[in-house]
Amino acid sequence: GQSLEQPSEVTAVEGAIVQINCTYQTSGFYGLSWYQQHDGGAPTFLSYNALDGLEETGRFSSFLSRSDSYGYLLLQELQMKDSASYFCAVRSYTDKLIFGTGTRLQVFP
Amino acid sequence: SAVISQKPSRDICQRGTSLTIQCQVDSQVTMMFWYRQQPGQSLTLIATANQGSEATYESGFVIDKFPISRPNLTFSTLTVSNMSPEDSSIYLCSAPTSSYNEQFFGPGTRLTVL
Repeated sequence: GQSLEQPSEVTAVEGAIVQINCTYQTSGFYGLSWYQQHDGGAPTFLSYNALDGLEETGRFSSFLSRSDSYGYLLLQELQMKDSASYFCAVRSYTDKLIFGTGTRLQVFP
Repeated sequence: SAVISQKPSRDICQRGTSLTIQCQVDSQVTMMFWYRQQPGQSLTLIATANQGSEATYESGFVIDKFPISRPNLTFSTLTVSNMSPEDSSIYLCSAPTSSYNEQFFGPGTRLTVL
């Protein structure tokens, strides 16, 4: 089977940097994605790593290491609006997404 | 990008009844997906719906309980049959971009079964 584990909760203050880790066990996949979901909202796409290394998109960066079965999402210059749940997800060879356990980020002033 | 709408946005149903959730995409897509999400939990894939073929169900989900239709490339329905309180959840549909690197999600249907 496939499993993706994330810390259940992370807290930080405005302006800080936070890293959300994702460790996975899967037989194979095309890439690792990250999604943000605010309470009551739909998941929205943040980033996708097909290859090992760092992908940067504005304040958000995502990293993948296939050899370590590990990835992370890095959020810089945190803002209150970043308070949300964050999910890693693998895109399987059948193009479906398998989601991680999710991390609730709380940003404090 | 794709815009996905779902109907109804929420419903309260009696046990033993069925509810059909509609999902409309503003562009043609080959694949659509249906997920279930309990409050505060992660998303669990129910099935993959391809136009012109039967849906492919994930382990723990069966067609008799969650029949899916996919009549064309912009629309799909998920029926939750013979509902019980354990079916209370948020149901979301999604569709990938042409590169399949990103998925767009509908706003979800919040179902409560009494």
